[in-house]
Amino acid sequence: DAGVTQSPTHLIKTRGQQVTLRCSPKSGHDTVSWYQQALGQGPQFIFQYYEEEERQRGNFPDRFSGHQFPNYSSELNVNALLLGDSALYLCASSRPSSNEQFFGPGTRLTVL
Amino acid sequence: SQQGEEDPQALSIQEGENATMNCSYKTSINNLQWYRQNSGRGLVHLILIRSNEREKHSGRLRVTLDTSKKSSSLLITASRAADTASYFCATYLNQAGTALIFGKGTTLSVSS
Repeated sequence: DAGVTQSPTHLIKTRGQQVTLRCSPKSGHDTVSWYQQALGQGPQFIFQYYEEEERQRGNFPDRFSGHQFPNYSSELNVNALLLGDSALYLCASSRPSSNEQFFGPGTRLTVL
Repeated sequence: SQQGEEDPQALSIQEGENATMNCSYKTSINNLQWYRQNSGRGLVHLILIRSNEREKHSGRLRVTLDTSKKSSSLLITASRAADTASYFCATYLNQAGTALIFGKGTTLSVSS
C-alpha cells in the first residue's frame, strides 16, 4: 500500500517564476492538506482540499493556490516566487473521520 | 502563528538514556499529536492523545497530557541512535479538525 507521494523531490526556481507541486494521497484517503516548512521551523498550514474544494486556508497570500482532482490527487501552485518561499512543502492526506494526517516526504523548493 | 511550543529546542543524550520533551499550547483541544521528522523529510505520526486521557504508551514512547496546564510531554525510554530526529507536537486549530498547528520542534541527538 503506497503512502503519500510527492513530486518532484527537489526544485530550483528563480524569483518571479511559477511552480507546481504534486501530491498523491494514501489509498483510501480523500482529503489533502498542504504545509510549508521553513528551515528550523515547524510546518505551517497552507490549505486543505476535500471533494475538490478548498475547505480551509491558512495565513498565506493568494499567490498560493491549489487544486484537487477527482482521483483525490492535488496540486499546489505558487506564483511570483519570492526568496522567502524557499522551504520544504509537505502534503498530508487523511480520511474525514480520522484525526491522523499521513505526510509525504516533501518537495524541497529553492528560490534563487 | 504557532499553537504549540516545544521545550527544549535541542537535546543531546547518550544511547540508553531517556529523553523527555515538553510541549505547551494555547487554546482548548480535542487531542494532541506527536510527530517525528528525520533530516528535514516527511513527518511520521507517533502518537495521539485525546483530551480526556492523561497518559498513553506506545512501545518506548510515553505521552502525558495536562489540560489544566495546557501542556504535554513525550518520553522516549532507552534511546537509540535511530531516535535522532526532530520531534513536534501538533494540535488542531479548530473543532473541524482540518488545520494542524505545529510548534517549532525539539531536535534530539542520540550518540552511541
